Amino acid sequence: GQQVMQIPQYQHVQEGEDFTTYCNSSTTLSNIQWYKQRPGGHPVFLIQLVKSGEVKKQKRLTFQFGEAKKNSSLHITATQTTDVGTYFCAGPPTGNQFYFGTGTSLTVIP
Amino acid sequence: NAGVMQNPRHLVRRRGQEARLRCSPMKGHSHVYWYRQLPEEGLKFMVYLQKENIIDESGMPKERFSAEFPKEGPSILRIQQVVRGDSAAYFCASSPPTFLGQYFGPGTRLTVL
Repeated sequence: GQQVMQIPQYQHVQEGEDFTTYCNSSTTLSNIQWYKQRPGGHPVFLIQLVKSGEVKKQKRLTFQFGEAKKNSSLHITATQTTDVGTYFCAGPPTGNQFYFGTGTSLTVIP
Repeated sequence: NAGVMQNPRHLVRRRGQEARLRCSPMKGHSHVYWYRQLPEEGLKFMVYLQKENIIDESGMPKERFSAEFPKEGPSILRIQQVVRGDSAAYFCASSPPTFLGQYFGPGTRLTVL
């Protein structure tokens, strides 16, 4: 089945530093989605990428979809304490199942 | 437009009891998914339903677990004879027919004593 791997698993940064999480798939993806889950909260849909090489920005967040559509990244510029949480990527359904990545837990040190 | 609603938010059960978790999808969303999340872990797919139909339940244990999404009313995830290992957060998510992301409810935190 589809494997979606995320690295790193944990990341601690000083406030103001940049942060990047990577998502890698063993198969070509038709699209990829990103979600954020705050501690004690629920996942929140951030964005969906569809096109090869696509880059989308949401304020300080930059999302990229690789040319081969097998990997994706989320980059946060100048992190703030409000960025704390776990960031998940998710591939399109395999059959009817959605596979979420293992997540990257971001801690921002003030 | 209200978001995905789940209740109860917290549920405590003793071993052997039944747990019923409810999920009301967003208005206009006909697809419902249930996920389980253990502390410090990712989301594990359990079941995918559309109105009155179970589309894929391959992520759900065959024993003690069942799910439904009736024509009227919320989707229900039912766990019979709960065991301590069932303690987890259970999230419901919904999406419209033209899938553009899943919208999650606040979750039900189940604790089995």
